[in-house]
This record gives sequence, C-alpha cells and structure tokens, in this order.
Amino acid sequence: AQTVTQSQPEMSVQEAETVTLSCTYDTSESDYYLFWYKQPPSRQMILVIRQEAYKQQNATENRFSVNFQKAAKSFSLKISDSQLGDAAMYFCAIINTGTASKLTFGTGTRLQVTL
Amino acid sequence: EPEVTQTPSHQVTQMGQEVILRCVPISNHLYFYWYRQILGQKVEFLVSFYNNEISEKSEIFDDQFSVERPDGSNFTLKIRSTKLEDSAMYFCASKSSGRGTGELFFGEGSRLTVL
Repeated sequence: AQTVTQSQPEMSVQEAETVTLSCTYDTSESDYYLFWYKQPPSRQMILVIRQEAYKQQNATENRFSVNFQKAAKSFSLKISDSQLGDAAMYFCAIINTGTASKLTFGTGTRLQVTL
Repeated sequence: EPEVTQTPSHQVTQMGQEVILRCVPISNHLYFYWYRQILGQKVEFLVSFYNNEISEKSEIFDDQFSVERPDGSNFTLKIRSTKLEDSAMYFCASKSSGRGTGELFFGEGSRLTVL
C-alpha cells in the first residue's frame, strides 16, 4: 500500500514571496510518479507538476518546482513569486507505473496568499 | 483541450434514494476512476475501471455502489440507497493507456447532498 503525508494543513505566503509545501510518501515500488495537484475554490483538480521517480532532475514548471529526494521519500513543492491566484488546496499524490494503478492523495495543504 | 465532464454539478437527494452520477471521460482514455472528497477532507479512491470491469475498489465501495460504462462514452457511478454519510464531492478521472505519464485527468466534480 502507498501512503502520502502532508504535515502542513495550512500555509500562508505574501504575494511575490516564496513558499514550500512539504510532502513525504511511502511505497514499496521502485517505479512511480509523483504529482502536485491544485484544487481552487472552483473545486476542479488541476495538475501543477509531475515527477518521474527514475529521473534525478527536479521537475520545474514556470514558478513551480519540486525538491525530490528519493532516498528520503520526500517531494516538496516550491512556489516562487506567489500570486493571489495560487491560493488553493494543494494535494501531493503518488501513482505506480502499472497500467491500472490508482492515484493516492495526501490530506492536502491549504495555501493562503496575502497582500 | 480534451476534458472530463461530469453531470450533475450538484444533486440533492433524500436518504434512501438512488443516485446516478455521470461522467464522460476523455475519448481515447481507457482507464477510469471515481474518487470521493467529503467536505474538508482528503480525496479518497473509490474504484478503478478498465476493459469493462472493475480493476480495483476500496473498502468504501461497498454493495451500495456500482459503476458502469453503458455506451462506450459515459462512465456512471450509482449509489443504490444513499446515506447521510454519502454526502461528498465525487470526482471522475480518466487516464490514457499504458504507462504514459501516469497523469489522471479529473472532472469538475459532482456535489452530492443527502438529506
């Protein structure tokens, strides 16, 4: 079984500043993907960033980047130059590379962005 | 851009009534999922579906739940006799074939309120 732990129920960041959301996971698989999904008040789950476990290089998507530490099973999300539109719930998730695997989510971190 | 669509966006029902939530996955996807999110809580896996049969289901997915892909485009979740604790947001998701990127594409969700 896979588990994902997000230890920060809520975080706050000032506009234009940088914030890091923590995530740790546990899996017995060697090949998997890790994701950060954003859920704004409009409720749809939107993919923010993806990391393949076999890649050592940390994924980056514009202002979003991850710090993937495979040995430590850690997958944190860094948001640079935070914007008001970044305010949302952020879910860390893991899925095996097996074809019918399911996505397992953490409990989420609510990010507030203040002026 | 292709997207997963869900109907209804919100349904209110009386306890004991049957509810059907509908989803149209992305057309060339082969793996389908239902997830549930009780207000303020984590997103929980319910069931995955591939090749016209259930691949995996969680302990939440008891005999009151069923899924069907009746016509090759729709993917439905039926709750036979709703309970108060079934009140939640239900998300449908789909994934392309094979290993791919592992990414699940989510619909906007259907909010179910059981009175």
